[in-house]
Amino acid sequence: GAVVSQHPSRVICKSGTSVKIECRSLDFQATTMFWYRQFPKQSLMLMATSNEGSKATYEQGVEKDKFLINHASLTLSTLTVTSAHPEDSSFYICSAGSQTPNIYGYTFGSGTRLTVV
Amino acid sequence: AQSVTQPDIHITVSEGASLELRCNYSYGATPYLFWYVQSPGQGLQLLLKYFSGDTLVQGIKGFEAEFKRSQSSFNLRKPSVHWSDAAEYFCAVASSGNTPLVFGKGTRLSVIA
Repeated sequence: GAVVSQHPSRVICKSGTSVKIECRSLDFQATTMFWYRQFPKQSLMLMATSNEGSKATYEQGVEKDKFLINHASLTLSTLTVTSAHPEDSSFYICSAGSQTPNIYGYTFGSGTRLTVV
Repeated sequence: AQSVTQPDIHITVSEGASLELRCNYSYGATPYLFWYVQSPGQGLQLLLKYFSGDTLVQGIKGFEAEFKRSQSSFNLRKPSVHWSDAAEYFCAVASSGNTPLVFGKGTRLSVIA
């Protein structure tokens, strides 16, 4: 079945530094990658949508300069949290979209727990 | 805009009892429908999905869900709950195959002996 590999699973960084999170589709081509954020005991909120080779589309209220998304290939999308602050601490999770969504679509990565100290 | 309502924030059932988690959606057409489960500190695991066809969908771990267009519902059921089913359950919808999911707020399931 479809597998999305997300790394790292946990990261602790100092305030002011940047952190990169990778999501790879292992056995299919992810034409689209959706990035979500989840605060403790809450549901998932869409941050942005990225399509391979084009700029990401950000949801209202999400700072595009803080959360840099790159989707350079059909198998790799990255989210970089720049100049991280403690309020950026959260669970980040990606989900791949594909041109055959009934087979490969909507598979999630395992998530990244970011803690900014 | 699409929306998903999971009316029950927290449900407690006894091990071996049946389970039904409710999900209602708001969307003009028939959306794609999903149920995911999330254990604490973990990612999301897809239980089942509905795109079209038979309205009763079988999933993993003994779960099933039924799409009822007239009620705009996609309730999740399991005939006999196991202690390992304790987790957070999310219902989600998408309008088409390459659009993002809209999630409900989730239902936390507790299982007691």
